Amino acid sequence: DQQVKQNSPSLSVQEGRISILNCDYTNSMFDYFLWYKKYPAEGPTFLISISSIKDKNEDGRFTVFLNKSAKHLSLHIVPSQPGDSAVYFCAASAKGFQKLVFGTGTRLLVSP
Amino acid sequence: GAVVSQHPSWVICKSGTSVKIECRSLDFQATTMFWYRQFPKQSLMLMATSNEGSKATYEQGVEKDKFLINHASLTLSTLTVTSAHPEDSSFYICSASQPARWSYEQYFGPGTRLTVT
Repeated sequence: DQQVKQNSPSLSVQEGRISILNCDYTNSMFDYFLWYKKYPAEGPTFLISISSIKDKNEDGRFTVFLNKSAKHLSLHIVPSQPGDSAVYFCAASAKGFQKLVFGTGTRLLVSP
Repeated sequence: GAVVSQHPSWVICKSGTSVKIECRSLDFQATTMFWYRQFPKQSLMLMATSNEGSKATYEQGVEKDKFLINHASLTLSTLTVTSAHPEDSSFYICSASQPARWSYEQYFGPGTRLTVT
């Protein structure tokens, strides 16, 4: 039972344009969401997070949007850069639980 | 800040032997550490959660006698794969957190590639 889903396994974007990565979840107990970036053979790197009391959080080129009614969140990267090419995982946590549930990942390729 | 290291970065061992992987938080005290496993092109699967000084909590389906986890200090956790078999070959990643400081954020080590021959 995949509680966190990233339905697009891959995404290709041109440099300078916006990248939008999507994530859906099924567990209504989730109240904190995170995005991680991962290169091959490396550990994930924390990018940005959002609490369920907010619907938007911004950090530089990265913005995460949360739509609780749709159980959907998205990560916007603008402008996209070739160095952003990696696999992006969304993750979720439920209040009172420390562990994260990860999505299946989306491979982003930003071409020059 | 929030740097986590893992050692070794890769290891090859023979079937039936045991392998120990270390996870260290370098610039903070990790009250909680997590161990994950990732198969090629798949998501990270949580194996266990360990709190300093307590027994680890294993996820369903993870053999606690096979994957021994020790979290003896606030900066070190170890995962020992006992009597390793080829199906244990995988990429093992640890993470560390300090919930009082960062809420739910976890900071990951670089991972350890285990190959069992």
